[in-house]
Amino acid sequence: AQSVTQPDIHITVSEGASLELRCNYSYGATPYLFWYVQSPGQGLQLLLKYFSGDTLVQGIKGFEAEFKRSQSSFNLRKPSVHWSDAAEYFCAVDDDYKLSFGAGTTVTVRA
Amino acid sequence: ETGVTQSPTHLIKTRGQQVTLRCSSQSGHNTVSWYQQALGQGPQFIFQYYREEENGRGNFPPRFSGLQFPNYSSELNVNALELDDSALYLCASSSGGVAGAYQETQYFGPGTRLLVL
Repeated sequence: AQSVTQPDIHITVSEGASLELRCNYSYGATPYLFWYVQSPGQGLQLLLKYFSGDTLVQGIKGFEAEFKRSQSSFNLRKPSVHWSDAAEYFCAVDDDYKLSFGAGTTVTVRA
Repeated sequence: ETGVTQSPTHLIKTRGQQVTLRCSSQSGHNTVSWYQQALGQGPQFIFQYYREEENGRGNFPPRFSGLQFPNYSSELNVNALELDDSALYLCASSSGGVAGAYQETQYFGPGTRLLVL
């Protein structure tokens, strides 16, 4: 089975600073990878996805992610964080007919 | 285009009771997946329905069951509720759904928060 690991449980970042969230996957072939965001008490919103092709993927809300096969990583980045980016972020991999999620990273934004 | 909707938004039940959660899929989608998200954890796959048939199942006991209707909406039923069933239940819809085939992106509803006392 495929899986993802999010090494950081909680990250605090200042408003306007850059943000990088780590995600490592385990899969032999090219995985289908996703980043979702969950605001408090809400469902999951898709930020971006990687299926194939260009390894730098652009998403919504100014987020981007880079697929690095050599490092088995799919890290999420944002150049300048806004207070509204405070949320929980989940990396997920398509595992045949289902998604396998990481444990999530909680992002706190300080003024 | 209507997104994924779920009802109810919140629910309180007591141990041993039964519960039914409902999900309407996004327009054009024929596949519905259900996930359980316990507090502080990532979502865990329960099962998936494709064209009214169960397409795959995660590591959940048989007291978790489901249905998909001809209009592709779906229900999740949980019998003999236990305290550990307290969680956010998420429904996701997508197109495709055949096991082993390429999966389209799953779009999630807002979830139903279940509390078992």
